[in-house]
Amino acid sequence: AQKITQTQPGMFVQEKEAVTLDCTYDTSDQSYGLFWYKQPSSGEMIFLIYQGSYDEQNATEGRYSLNFQKARKSANLVISASQLGDSAMYFCAMREINTDKLIFGTGTRLQVFP
Amino acid sequence: ETGVTQTPRHLVMGMTNKKSLKCEQHLGHNAMYWYKQSAKKPLELMFVYSLEERVENNSVPSRFSPECPNSSHLFLHLHTLQPEDSALYLCASSPGDSPGELFFGEGSRLTVL
Repeated sequence: AQKITQTQPGMFVQEKEAVTLDCTYDTSDQSYGLFWYKQPSSGEMIFLIYQGSYDEQNATEGRYSLNFQKARKSANLVISASQLGDSAMYFCAMREINTDKLIFGTGTRLQVFP
Repeated sequence: ETGVTQTPRHLVMGMTNKKSLKCEQHLGHNAMYWYKQSAKKPLELMFVYSLEERVENNSVPSRFSPECPNSSHLFLHLHTLQPEDSALYLCASSPGDSPGELFFGEGSRLTVL
C-alpha cells in the first residue's frame, strides 16, 4: 500500500499568491516525521520543512508552513507569496520511528507564473 | 567543499559496460543512502549505510553493487545494466538520529543504451 499520496501531479499559481500542495500519508506508528522537499531542475532535493507527529503546532519556515491534520493523516504544504523561483517539483516524505527509511510521494510540479 | 557531492553528473553507458557512481559528504553524517528516481514514480530507496555498514538493501538487483569505504564516501558500482535502469540516482546523507532530515546531492543522470 502506498504510504505517501500526492494527488496533484501539477499546480499553477500566480506570483505573490499562496498555494497549497496536498499530501496524505498512511502509517500505524504513533511516532513519525513528515518532510517536504523541493527539487528544482538541477536535480538536487532541497529540504524545506519538518513536522513531528507529536508536535502540537504546525511547522513554519519562512514562507513555508505545514498544515498538519493528524486525525486526517494529512500534511499539506502552504507556500505564501509565491515567487518565480518556487517553480519546481515538491515531494512529501515520511520517516517512521526507529527506521532509516525516508519514503517519498510521487511529487507535485508547481509552476509560478508572473 | 560542503554538502553532498555526486560524480559524474551525467553518465551514458552500454549494457555491457562497468561504471561507478560516487558520492561524497562533508557534513560529518553517519548514514548515507542511494535513491533511484524514475519518471512519474516515487523515489525508490535502494541502499542505506549506517556507520559504514549496510542496513538496508531494498530488493535491488545484483547488477547494482554499493560500497561504503568510510563514512564520507559511498559508491554505486554498475554492471550489465538494462535500459530500464536509466534514471536519476540520488545520494543522500543524514546525521543518523531520528527523525533527521536527509541532505541530498544533485544526482547522477544515468542513461543505459
